[in-house]
Amino acid sequence: SAVISQKPSRDICQRGTSLTIQCQVDSQVTMMFWYRQQPGQSLTLIATANQGSEATYESGFVIDKFPISRPNLTFSTLTVSNMSPEDSSIYLCSVAWALNEGYTFGSGTRLTVV
Amino acid sequence: AQTVTQSQPEMSVQEAETVTLSCTYDTSESDYYLFWYKQPPSRQMILVIRQEAYKQQNATENRFSVNFQKAAKSFSLKISDSQLGDAAMYFCAYSRCYQSSNDYKLSFGAGTTVTVRA
Repeated sequence: SAVISQKPSRDICQRGTSLTIQCQVDSQVTMMFWYRQQPGQSLTLIATANQGSEATYESGFVIDKFPISRPNLTFSTLTVSNMSPEDSSIYLCSVAWALNEGYTFGSGTRLTVV
Repeated sequence: AQTVTQSQPEMSVQEAETVTLSCTYDTSESDYYLFWYKQPPSRQMILVIRQEAYKQQNATENRFSVNFQKAAKSFSLKISDSQLGDAAMYFCAYSRCYQSSNDYKLSFGAGTTVTVRA
């Protein structure tokens, strides 16, 4: 299975600013997934990122708020823009391995907006 | 759209005893994968066990086993000989097969928090 390095592990940010989260994978993968997990809740998919094309966003998430880059098959970034306290969550990236026989997750970024 | 339902927000088990977590799902697909993930307080998502829908045999990984009932769309997780390290939030998840769809994102249930009593 793949190994993912996700940075930063946590951050405290001022409202109105932006934070970029990075995920580096140790092998080439077709799709990367970005999730948000609000405190005590389940994971909600924000978007699916393909290399060389626009990310596909789920209902309720828009590109202006959560721009995603996928410059190559091992790296992706998620930016949380113009943050408000409601954006305080854990953000996780994920990849599928062995076609999609399994999924590996980054260690998550705990974001607090003040 | 696929939905995954976990109806037990919390479960408590005595150390060395057995606990079963329930999960049901809704899909019109015939081939798909089902997973149980564990998330301890460290927030790292850890794959516990997976099941391919085309396999009738229930998956087993050491103390973890599933009861997969395809017709009933049920996928329960049994933790045997519970240990303190099993305390975590457990998520049931579904995905389509890569071979049948280019949309193979994971859909998660709401999660079940497992507490292990010493």
